[in-house]
Amino acid sequence: EPEVTQTPSHQVTQMGQEVILRCVPISNHLYFYWYRQILGQKVEFLVSFYNNEISEKSEIFDDQFSVERPDGSNFTLKIRSTKLEDSAMYFCASRTGTAGNTIYFGEGSWLTVV
Amino acid sequence: TQLLEQSPQFLSIQEGENLTVYCNSSSVFSSLQWYRQEPGEGPVLLVTVVTGGEVKKLKRLTFQFGDARKDSSLHITAAQPGDTGLYLCAGNSGSARQLTFGSGTQLTVLP
Repeated sequence: EPEVTQTPSHQVTQMGQEVILRCVPISNHLYFYWYRQILGQKVEFLVSFYNNEISEKSEIFDDQFSVERPDGSNFTLKIRSTKLEDSAMYFCASRTGTAGNTIYFGEGSWLTVV
Repeated sequence: TQLLEQSPQFLSIQEGENLTVYCNSSSVFSSLQWYRQEPGEGPVLLVTVVTGGEVKKLKRLTFQFGDARKDSSLHITAAQPGDTGLYLCAGNSGSARQLTFGSGTQLTVLP
């Protein structure tokens, strides 16, 4: 069964460093998303991406965050200068571009900022 | 801001009992999804409900979407220890149909 894959599964970084989280969405999907989940809290929407541009973003997704689809398969989330409060599990997700509403999630990338 | 409230937050029951988890909002959602999440893993989709009043069954799990598409429920019949986990409801909204998640119900089924 097709699935969303994410790398790395776990990354530890020092505060102020740049981090890139990578995702390979399901191949025929057209909408891509990043969500995050701080330990013990809700899953929160960060950004959606469609047709090579951001379609919606939340208040969390400030200038420190950026997304990119550098080729036909990868979808990345970059955090330019990490802060302690960026420590969270980051989930990539995707869905088809048809009327389907179902969004499929990857296993997540656990980011620890020290 | 759209909010989804789930209740109860924690539920501990004996094997064989029935239970219902509720997901409520003051907002209308185009559809609603139920996920199950294990610690350290991503949410795994259980079901998507789209039509107001819709009922879907997945073995011992029954999902219902409210007529007004503002609420949903998950009913588990004869719960088993393997049903233990965090159950999340999430509603689709926005032009990109991004999800708003509830805070989850942590279910523990004791043998």
